[in-house]
Amino acid sequence: GAVVSQHPSRVICKSGTSVKIECRSLDFQATTMFWYRQFPKQSLMLMATSNEGSKATYEQGVEKDKFLINHASLTLSTLTVTSAHPEDSSFYICSARDGGAVEKLFFGSGTQLSVL
Amino acid sequence: GENVEQHPSTLSVQEGDSAVIKCTYSDSASNYFPWYKQELGKGPQLIIDIRSNVGEKKDQRIAVTLNKTAKHFSLHITETQPEDSAVYFCAASPRGNMLTFGGGTRLMVKP
Repeated sequence: GAVVSQHPSRVICKSGTSVKIECRSLDFQATTMFWYRQFPKQSLMLMATSNEGSKATYEQGVEKDKFLINHASLTLSTLTVTSAHPEDSSFYICSARDGGAVEKLFFGSGTQLSVL
Repeated sequence: GENVEQHPSTLSVQEGDSAVIKCTYSDSASNYFPWYKQELGKGPQLIIDIRSNVGEKKDQRIAVTLNKTAKHFSLHITETQPEDSAVYFCAASPRGNMLTFGGGTRLMVKP
């Protein structure tokens, strides 16, 4: 299957700082990438849809000014958590569609964010 | 929008036994149903998927069945092994649309 690389896998930061998470499609071009948030023992919650060359579409209740998404190329999307607070601590996962099979979604390995 | 229910939330089986996880969906327009396996601290991994024009699909010890009339689909794992222990998620997608995930099933395979 297609490979999606996500970095970093784990980050610990102080409250008030910003954290950037990168998501790369390694062997395919992804016009659309998705960002999810997952709390312990819960399902994946879609935060936003990232479209190459245009603004991201955020789900209801997700603050776009807090979770900045940039999809500058067909292989890279970034999520920046701005002015992070302890309640932002969570597991963040990106995913991308393999353009050859519209529905197939491949996930990155996730980023565990801990805000002190 | 689509709503996906998944049962059971936890499932414990003895090594070598079979495991079955069931999901129901609400949107009759959904035509793509993937299953993901998520190990602790990792992202979900696509293990098998099925489209609405197929009733059953098998890949070694894993099989998925789909009943479009009843709007439910199931994951079957035979001859379970300890490395099958993980959280499994089902999902449904209307054509070209985003995936809606079930709540997940924590499978524990006891050696």
